[in-house]
Amino acid sequence: GAVVSQHPSRVICKSGTSVKIECRSLDFQATTMFWYRQFPKQSLMLMATSNEGSKATYEQGVEKDKFLINHASLTLSTLTVTSAHPEDSSFYICSAGDRGRTGQPQHFGDGTRLSIL
Amino acid sequence: GESVGLHLPTLSVQEGDNSIINCAYSNSASDYFIWYKQESGKGPQFIIDIRSNMDKRQGQRVTVLLNKTVKHLSLQIAATQPGDSAVYFCAEKNMRFGAGTRLTVKP
Repeated sequence: GAVVSQHPSRVICKSGTSVKIECRSLDFQATTMFWYRQFPKQSLMLMATSNEGSKATYEQGVEKDKFLINHASLTLSTLTVTSAHPEDSSFYICSAGDRGRTGQPQHFGDGTRLSIL
Repeated sequence: GESVGLHLPTLSVQEGDNSIINCAYSNSASDYFIWYKQESGKGPQFIIDIRSNMDKRQGQRVTVLLNKTVKHLSLQIAATQPGDSAVYFCAEKNMRFGAGTRLTVKP
Protein backbone atom coordinates (compact mmCIF):
# COMPACT_ATOMS: atom_id res chain seq x y z
CA GLY A 1 0.00 0.00 0.00
CA ALA A 2 0.89 3.66 -0.18
CA VAL A 3 3.64 4.64 2.21
CA VAL A 4 4.68 8.04 3.46
CA SER A 5 8.02 8.33 5.19
CA GLN A 6 8.84 11.17 7.53
CA HIS A 7 12.31 11.98 8.79
CA PRO A 8 13.57 12.50 11.40
CA SER A 9 11.19 10.83 13.80
CA ARG A 10 12.53 12.78 16.73
CA VAL A 11 14.76 15.82 17.08
CA ILE A 12 15.99 17.74 20.07
CA CYS A 13 17.81 20.99 19.53
CA LYS A 14 18.68 24.29 21.10
CA SER A 15 16.57 27.39 20.85
CA GLY A 16 17.41 29.44 17.78
CA THR A 17 18.22 26.44 15.61
CA SER A 18 16.46 25.81 12.32
CA VAL A 19 15.10 22.31 11.85
CA LYS A 20 14.18 20.62 8.58
CA ILE A 21 11.62 17.81 8.43
CA GLU A 22 11.26 15.67 5.32
CA CYS A 23 8.13 13.98 4.03
CA ARG A 24 8.48 11.45 1.22
CA SER A 25 5.94 9.44 -0.69
CA LEU A 26 7.72 6.15 -1.29
CA ASP A 27 5.64 4.40 -3.90
CA PHE A 28 3.47 7.07 -5.44
CA GLN A 29 3.64 10.62 -6.67
CA ALA A 30 2.06 13.40 -4.69
CA THR A 31 1.43 16.81 -6.18
CA THR A 32 -0.07 17.91 -2.88
CA MET A 33 1.05 17.19 0.65
CA PHE A 34 -0.35 18.48 3.92
CA TRP A 35 1.53 19.53 7.03
CA TYR A 36 0.05 19.39 10.51
CA ARG A 37 1.11 20.03 14.05
CA GLN A 38 -0.38 18.28 17.02
CA PHE A 39 -0.10 19.14 20.69
CA PRO A 40 -0.57 16.46 23.37
CA LYS A 41 -4.16 15.21 23.63
CA GLN A 42 -5.29 17.54 20.88
CA SER A 43 -6.34 17.16 17.30
CA LEU A 44 -4.24 17.65 14.21
CA MET A 45 -4.10 21.28 13.19
CA LEU A 46 -3.61 21.84 9.49
CA MET A 47 -0.71 24.23 8.98
CA ALA A 48 -0.33 24.37 5.24
CA THR A 49 -0.89 22.66 1.95
CA SER A 50 2.30 21.96 0.05
CA ASN A 51 2.00 22.16 -3.72
CA GLU A 52 4.63 20.67 -6.00
CA GLY A 53 6.37 23.34 -8.03
CA SER A 54 4.55 26.26 -6.45
CA LYS A 55 4.16 28.11 -3.19
CA ALA A 56 2.52 26.47 -0.23
CA THR A 57 -0.88 27.60 0.95
CA TYR A 58 -0.81 28.45 4.64
CA GLU A 59 -3.71 28.30 7.05
CA GLN A 60 -4.76 31.45 8.80
CA GLY A 61 -2.51 32.25 11.73
CA VAL A 62 0.44 30.15 10.54
CA GLU A 63 3.57 32.22 9.92
CA LYS A 64 4.94 31.35 6.50
CA ASP A 65 8.33 32.88 7.31
CA LYS A 66 8.53 30.73 10.41
CA PHE A 67 7.46 27.49 8.78
CA LEU A 68 9.10 27.26 5.37
CA ILE A 69 7.70 24.65 3.04
CA ASN A 70 9.39 23.41 -0.11
CA HIS A 71 7.86 20.84 -2.45
CA ALA A 72 10.53 20.52 -5.10
CA SER A 73 9.59 17.09 -6.44
CA LEU A 74 6.59 14.83 -6.71
CA THR A 75 7.84 12.66 -3.87
CA LEU A 76 9.36 15.10 -1.40
CA SER A 77 8.12 18.01 0.68
CA THR A 78 10.13 19.63 3.45
CA LEU A 79 9.07 21.75 6.40
CA THR A 80 11.73 23.96 7.96
CA VAL A 81 11.04 25.45 11.36
CA THR A 82 13.25 28.52 11.36
CA SER A 83 14.83 29.90 14.52
CA ALA A 84 12.90 27.42 16.61
CA HIS A 85 11.88 28.28 20.15
CA PRO A 86 10.42 26.15 22.95
CA GLU A 87 6.87 27.06 21.94
CA ASP A 88 7.52 25.39 18.58
CA SER A 89 7.95 22.06 20.34
CA SER A 90 5.24 19.79 18.98
CA PHE A 91 4.46 16.71 16.94
CA TYR A 92 4.61 17.52 13.23
CA ILE A 93 2.89 15.20 10.77
CA CYS A 94 2.65 15.18 7.00
CA SER A 95 0.23 13.48 4.66
CA ALA A 96 0.09 12.84 0.95
CA GLY A 97 -2.41 11.43 -1.51
CA ASP A 98 -1.78 9.67 -4.76
CA ARG A 99 -1.33 12.30 -7.48
CA GLY A 100 -2.68 14.92 -5.10
CA ARG A 101 -6.25 14.02 -5.84
CA THR A 102 -8.75 15.31 -3.34
CA GLY A 103 -11.63 13.08 -2.51
CA GLN A 104 -9.20 10.27 -1.85
CA PRO A 105 -7.77 9.17 1.48
CA GLN A 106 -4.49 10.71 2.47
CA HIS A 107 -1.61 8.64 3.77
CA PHE A 108 0.23 9.90 6.80
CA GLY A 109 3.80 9.74 7.94
CA ASP A 110 4.54 8.67 11.48
CA GLY A 111 5.34 12.19 12.58
CA THR A 112 8.34 14.10 13.90
CA ARG A 113 8.53 14.94 17.55
CA LEU A 114 10.33 18.25 17.84
CA SER A 115 11.67 19.35 21.21
CA ILE A 116 13.32 22.75 21.53
CA LEU A 117 15.39 23.30 24.66
CA GLY B 1 -16.03 29.16 9.77
CA GLU B 2 -16.87 25.71 8.52
CA SER B 3 -15.58 22.92 10.68
CA VAL B 4 -15.76 19.30 11.52
CA GLY B 5 -16.25 18.43 15.16
CA LEU B 6 -16.84 15.47 17.39
CA HIS B 7 -19.45 15.13 20.10
CA LEU B 8 -17.53 13.16 22.72
CA PRO B 9 -13.89 13.40 23.72
CA THR B 10 -13.72 9.92 25.30
CA LEU B 11 -15.47 6.61 24.95
CA SER B 12 -14.89 3.51 27.06
CA VAL B 13 -16.34 0.14 26.02
CA GLN B 14 -16.02 -3.45 27.06
CA GLU B 15 -14.19 -5.81 24.76
CA GLY B 16 -16.64 -7.45 22.40
CA ASP B 17 -19.17 -4.62 22.56
CA ASN B 18 -19.97 -2.40 19.62
CA SER B 19 -18.62 1.16 19.61
CA ILE B 20 -20.19 4.21 18.04
CA ILE B 21 -18.18 7.37 17.48
CA ASN B 22 -19.98 10.47 16.27
CA CYS B 23 -18.95 13.46 14.23
CA ALA B 24 -20.80 16.63 13.24
CA TYR B 25 -19.88 18.84 10.34
CA SER B 26 -21.08 22.31 9.47
CA ASN B 27 -20.36 22.67 5.76
CA SER B 28 -23.43 21.42 3.95
CA ALA B 29 -21.46 21.37 0.70
CA SER B 30 -19.03 18.75 2.02
CA ASP B 31 -19.12 15.73 -0.24
CA TYR B 32 -16.43 13.45 1.11
CA PHE B 33 -15.57 12.30 4.61
CA ILE B 34 -12.84 10.13 6.04
CA TRP B 35 -12.34 8.37 9.34
CA TYR B 36 -8.83 7.97 10.70
CA LYS B 37 -7.42 6.08 13.66
CA GLN B 38 -4.38 7.40 15.49
CA GLU B 39 -2.39 5.29 17.91
CA SER B 40 -0.08 6.92 20.40
CA GLY B 41 3.03 8.42 18.83
CA LYS B 42 2.01 7.56 15.29
CA GLY B 43 0.41 9.24 12.33
CA PRO B 44 -3.28 8.67 11.54
CA GLN B 45 -4.29 5.56 9.63
CA PHE B 46 -7.11 5.51 7.13
CA ILE B 47 -10.10 3.45 8.25
CA ILE B 48 -12.96 4.12 5.90
CA ASP B 49 -14.40 6.90 3.78
CA ILE B 50 -17.78 7.85 2.41
CA ARG B 51 -19.04 10.15 -0.30
CA SER B 52 -22.13 12.26 0.05
CA ASN B 53 -24.08 10.22 -2.51
CA MET B 54 -24.11 7.36 0.01
CA ASP B 55 -25.77 6.96 3.40
CA LYS B 56 -23.83 3.96 4.57
CA ARG B 57 -20.62 2.19 3.81
CA GLN B 58 -19.28 -0.97 5.37
CA GLY B 59 -15.79 -2.27 5.82
CA GLN B 60 -14.30 -5.00 7.89
CA ARG B 61 -15.92 -4.62 11.32
CA VAL B 62 -16.53 -0.93 10.63
CA THR B 63 -19.51 0.92 9.24
CA VAL B 64 -19.81 4.62 8.51
CA LEU B 65 -23.22 6.25 8.43
CA LEU B 66 -23.83 9.65 6.89
CA ASN B 67 -26.89 11.76 7.65
CA LYS B 68 -26.76 14.78 5.40
CA THR B 69 -30.00 16.19 6.78
CA VAL B 70 -28.47 16.84 10.18
CA LYS B 71 -24.86 16.94 8.97
CA HIS B 72 -23.75 14.06 11.08
CA LEU B 73 -21.69 10.98 10.52
CA SER B 74 -20.82 8.09 12.75
CA LEU B 75 -18.29 5.29 12.85
CA GLN B 76 -19.49 1.98 14.19
CA ILE B 77 -16.98 -0.64 15.23
CA ALA B 78 -18.36 -4.13 15.72
CA ALA B 79 -16.99 -6.48 18.37
CA THR B 80 -14.51 -3.92 19.64
CA GLN B 81 -11.09 -5.32 20.47
CA PRO B 82 -8.26 -3.99 22.66
CA GLY B 83 -6.34 -3.20 19.49
CA ASP B 84 -9.06 -0.73 18.57
CA SER B 85 -8.04 1.52 21.46
CA ALA B 86 -6.88 4.76 19.86
CA VAL B 87 -8.05 8.26 19.01
CA TYR B 88 -10.49 8.44 16.13
CA PHE B 89 -10.86 11.49 13.91
CA CYS B 90 -13.21 12.39 11.15
CA ALA B 91 -12.04 14.69 8.41
CA GLU B 92 -13.50 16.39 5.39
CA LYS B 93 -12.08 16.46 1.90
CA ASN B 94 -10.28 19.69 2.81
CA MET B 95 -8.25 17.61 5.29
CA ARG B 96 -9.30 19.53 8.36
CA PHE B 97 -9.78 17.34 11.38
CA GLY B 98 -12.30 17.30 14.17
CA ALA B 99 -11.39 17.22 17.85
CA GLY B 100 -11.05 13.44 18.07
CA THR B 101 -12.55 10.77 20.32
CA ARG B 102 -10.34 8.59 22.47
CA LEU B 103 -11.66 5.04 22.47
CA THR B 104 -10.59 2.81 25.34
CA VAL B 105 -11.44 -0.87 25.22
CA LYS B 106 -11.54 -2.66 28.55
CA PRO B 107 -10.66 -6.37 28.52
